[in-house]
Amino acid sequence: EAQVTQNPRYLITVTGKKLTVTCSQNMNHEYMSWYRQDPGLGLRQIYYSMNVEVTDKGDVPEGYKVSRKEKRNFPLILESPSPNQTSLYFCASSLLREREQYFGPGTRLTVT
Amino acid sequence: QKEVEQDPGPLSVPEGAIVSLNCTYSNSAFQYFMWYRQYSRKGPELLMYTYSSGNKEDGRFTAQVDKSSKYISLFIRDSQPSDSATYLCALTGTGTASKLTFGTGTRLQVTL
Repeated sequence: EAQVTQNPRYLITVTGKKLTVTCSQNMNHEYMSWYRQDPGLGLRQIYYSMNVEVTDKGDVPEGYKVSRKEKRNFPLILESPSPNQTSLYFCASSLLREREQYFGPGTRLTVT
Repeated sequence: QKEVEQDPGPLSVPEGAIVSLNCTYSNSAFQYFMWYRQYSRKGPELLMYTYSSGNKEDGRFTAQVDKSSKYISLFIRDSQPSDSATYLCALTGTGTASKLTFGTGTRLQVTL
């Protein structure tokens, strides 16, 4: 089954404790991205990757890191999480940037 | 002014009604227009994809693009309770519009 998986689905952590949210897709897509979704603000892109070893900032990259060492994986790293990073995070992939995005199920992160 | 404007709702309609969901945008370089549906606690999934102006129909759903007015619409005929979800428009293009930009979403409730 074609899908994007994210782990964990729910995470509660404390300020400053490094965390990684994993994202994996099995569709051989070149383009992958991370979004955060907040009430009233919609989906905002954090980082995206056009291909392996090629990443670039989206609209709200501050406080986040990503890497793309393999085509299928695109982890999101929060090196020192803060409460304003409490949000719902989605990973997505697509063949091309302007084509259909396949979204993962989401990761609800709470930083206290 | 936001690049893409979408009324957040909520929009409540009785079962069987025709629903009209809309987005306006400011950048004339947008060329690809999409509608995503997002159920509660799920990732968005693509409903409709159109390129440039015109109409596209898929079952009970019709997507309409008016580039001259910078206005896009999604019509749902014979609405069902299972259509209750948040609907997000998403636009992208080339040059200054090369980023995939989402509307904030309209929450739709179809009542029995």
